[in-house]
Amino acid sequence: QVQLVESGGGVVQPGRSLRLSCAVSGFILSSHNMHWVRQAPGKGLEWVAFMSGDGSDERYADSVKGRFTTSRDSSENTLYLQMNSLTFEDTAVYYCARDYSGMYSCDYWGQGTLVTVSS
Amino acid sequence: QSALTQPPSVSGSPGQSVALSCTGTSSDVGSYNHVSWYQQPPGTAPKLMIYEVSNRPSGVPGRFSGSKSGNTASLTISGLQAEDEADYYCASYTSSSTWVFGGGTKLTVL
Repeated sequence: QVQLVESGGGVVQPGRSLRLSCAVSGFILSSHNMHWVRQAPGKGLEWVAFMSGDGSDERYADSVKGRFTTSRDSSENTLYLQMNSLTFEDTAVYYCARDYSGMYSCDYWGQGTLVTVSS
Repeated sequence: QSALTQPPSVSGSPGQSVALSCTGTSSDVGSYNHVSWYQQPPGTAPKLMIYEVSNRPSGVPGRFSGSKSGNTASLTISGLQAEDEADYYCASYTSSSTWVFGGGTKLTVL
């Protein structure tokens, strides 16, 4: 069955970097577009990033553009989110989610990994 | 890109129907049928309930339905059940080729 498992979260100081991983199973990563979505404590969902299945198309929310980069390792069936120049406002649970093929929505989500930016 | 506007809270009694609204602009909800709805009980990951305005994924009860008029989309839950109590988020594709979520609505089943 389809599973997405995020990892890599933790406590990091402002200005530092962190890389999140999303290991997927039950489907081929290169056959699906993928999203990153985050949720600050007690707040709503915020779309963060998109990567196309073939890796040729990346899109980012204005709030992270220029600081965050998504990538993938198809051999490992793993998606990554490289987060640089972190700020307090980046504190959130980060979810990876599979794009519902051609339907502009997310049909499978991971359980999320918490990133806390704190001095 | 500003978040879509959702009422912070809505409530209803078991068996009743409730409608959750999601208001965007002509740059998102008003221009595309790429509106989706997600259910998120406390402490869990979101679950897709409606995609492309009014389509239900396999396994989602028929009590859940979606619609759109102009810049406003709606999620209607008929025959409200206690298990429907959760936060609900709408999302839309935008003219910037990105996505935007609503602020979320907390549904309370009385």
